[in-house]
Amino acid sequence: GQQVMQIPQYQHVQEGEDFTTYCNSSTTLSNIQWYKQRPGGHPVFLIQLVKSGEVKKQKRLTFQFGEAKKNSSLHITATQTTDVGTYFCAGPSGGYNKLIFGAGTRLAVHP
Amino acid sequence: NAGVTQTPKFRVLKTGQSMTLLCAQDMNHEYMYWYRQDPGMGLRLIHYSVGEGTTAKGEVPDGYNVSRLKKQNFLLGLESAAPSQTSVYFCASSYRHQIPQETQYFGPGTRLLVL
Repeated sequence: GQQVMQIPQYQHVQEGEDFTTYCNSSTTLSNIQWYKQRPGGHPVFLIQLVKSGEVKKQKRLTFQFGEAKKNSSLHITATQTTDVGTYFCAGPSGGYNKLIFGAGTRLAVHP
Repeated sequence: NAGVTQTPKFRVLKTGQSMTLLCAQDMNHEYMYWYRQDPGMGLRLIHYSVGEGTTAKGEVPDGYNVSRLKKQNFLLGLESAAPSQTSVYFCASSYRHQIPQETQYFGPGTRLLVL
């Protein structure tokens, strides 16, 4: 069946270092979404990528969708303690806006 | 505008007990979803609903039932709780339009511990 894999599972960085999480799908995706979940919180939508090779930026966050539309990445430049949380990628799964989520990458930032 | 709300926030059950988790949304969303979140496994879809009176199975439906009698509410039931159902449960909702894909709005979650 369809799978969405994320690596790494966990990353610990010093504040100011960069961070990247990678997402790979077993199937071609029409779009990919990214969500952030703060510790003890709920997933919150960050962004959606639709086009092959698309790159979008949100302040220090850069999102990329692969040319083959089977992979994506999220890069955070100069991490801050406010970036702490788990980042999930999610792809469409069988209509009705259903999503299949990656297992997430948990980011810890030490000051 | 409260968005998506869930009750209760936390519950402890004994094996074999039953309970119902309530999800409510005030955004007039057509679609609603129940997920469970376990460490290292991301979010897995339990059941979903595409409108009032309709429900469908997701990836991990066994041991759960759902009902959507009103558009704004989506109930998740555990008839006979098992320790394997210890998890954090999230409800989400979205608009119907799918070009290319609507985002999902999540509730705050319910932490369930089954002893």
